[in-house]
Amino acid sequence: ETGVTQSPTHLIKTRGQQVTLRCSSQSGHNTVSWYQQALGQGPQFIFQYYREEENGRGNFPPRFSGLQFPNYSSELNVNALELDDSALYLCASSLGFEQYFGPGTRLTVT
Amino acid sequence: AQSVTQLDSQVPVFEEAPVELRCNYSSSVSVYLFWYVQYPNQGLQLLLKYLSGSTLVESINGFEAEFNKSQTSFHLRKPSVHISDTAEYFCAASDRGSTLGRLYFGRGTQLTVWP
Repeated sequence: ETGVTQSPTHLIKTRGQQVTLRCSSQSGHNTVSWYQQALGQGPQFIFQYYREEENGRGNFPPRFSGLQFPNYSSELNVNALELDDSALYLCASSLGFEQYFGPGTRLTVT
Repeated sequence: AQSVTQLDSQVPVFEEAPVELRCNYSSSVSVYLFWYVQYPNQGLQLLLKYLSGSTLVESINGFEAEFNKSQTSFHLRKPSVHISDTAEYFCAASDRGSTLGRLYFGRGTQLTVWP
């Protein structure tokens, strides 16, 4: 059974650019959640996708958007990058209430 | 919505000593509770969970946590730590009645085990 995978591992972008992060969910899991973990903080919920539909959203602006595909993999898109977007972005897949996390993508905005 | 408080940002202990990492949650509604561990430059690994039933839950590597509804706490304990337990530990809560399953995390506790 394959766990949750994320790509890329690290990414450096310039302020104002756009970025796409990718996540492959664990086999059989139909729900994907995205979290932002700033340095020294706990993860903050961005949004969740269930069967290709956004199922809920945290306190993040619309320039954070996402997609879920028929195979339940997912993308997180961030437009107009700001310096404060520098963080570890975590993807978690679930079938019930237990969420299983990927290794994360470290995004640095300069 | 939940609010999760981890009372200690850093806990240094010597190897083979006992440790307790404290966690309190805010809501009076029913919750699911979790402890996650994060090793340097890695994602989160589920350590243990309380969903229902026995209020004392255990992990395979010797950690345990007790759900205390009256004190809204879910403290993590281990009677004897190893150097390999050095990591960041996150307490998280999820509203039982919500279909969203959103996790609310504390700020984390860095456990450092010294030889």
